[in-house]
Amino acid sequence: GQNIDQPTEMTATEGAIVQINCTYQTSGFNGLFWYQQHAGEAPTFLSYNVLDGLEEKGRFSSFLSRSKGYSYLLLKELQMKDSASYLCAVRDPGGSWGKLQFGAGTQVVVTP
Amino acid sequence: GAGVSQTPSNKVTEKGKYVELRCDPISGHTALYWYRQSLGQGPEFLIYFQGTGAADDSGLPNDRFFAVRPEGSVSTLKIQRTERGDSAVYLCASSSRGGAGANVLTFGAGSRLTVL
Repeated sequence: GQNIDQPTEMTATEGAIVQINCTYQTSGFNGLFWYQQHAGEAPTFLSYNVLDGLEEKGRFSSFLSRSKGYSYLLLKELQMKDSASYLCAVRDPGGSWGKLQFGAGTQVVVTP
Repeated sequence: GAGVSQTPSNKVTEKGKYVELRCDPISGHTALYWYRQSLGQGPEFLIYFQGTGAADDSGLPNDRFFAVRPEGSVSTLKIQRTERGDSAVYLCASSSRGGAGANVLTFGAGSRLTVL
């Protein structure tokens, strides 16, 4: 099995930057995902990392260090609509390709 | 369809009853997944279909849970003798292929099950 840890909640001001950390412990690794989930809605895909380094996509960037079992999601120029839960998920190396293990999510609250 | 559709969006039932939850994936997506999300937690894998067959059902908690996908499109998750602990949001997701790569999952909005 895998253990995935991320902070429960973070608060930041509109226009600021927030970094959500995720650590994982696993016997193998086959990719890490970040999903955004607004309350009562479907999780939506944000990013995928399988190699070490930074992936940038507009205001969102995701970083991976496989040797440290560590990833972060960086949200820049925060907007009120970014208030949501952010889920870190690791692909099960021994399972099917869409079999992900999710962390409990980090609730980001953006204040005016 | 344009997205993954799940019905019903909300289901309230009594302990011991039988429920069915339906998922209509994105047209052409061959891979379909069921996850369960309890309050304050991330989604938890239940079962994966590639076409009509259940390729991985290792996440089903017990034999009260069963899922089918008879024609390789719509899937139904069936829960027998429901228990209060089954209360959760049941999420369905589909992807365009079951193979390597990002294999991005597109989730539906879920079916919220409440067992009284």
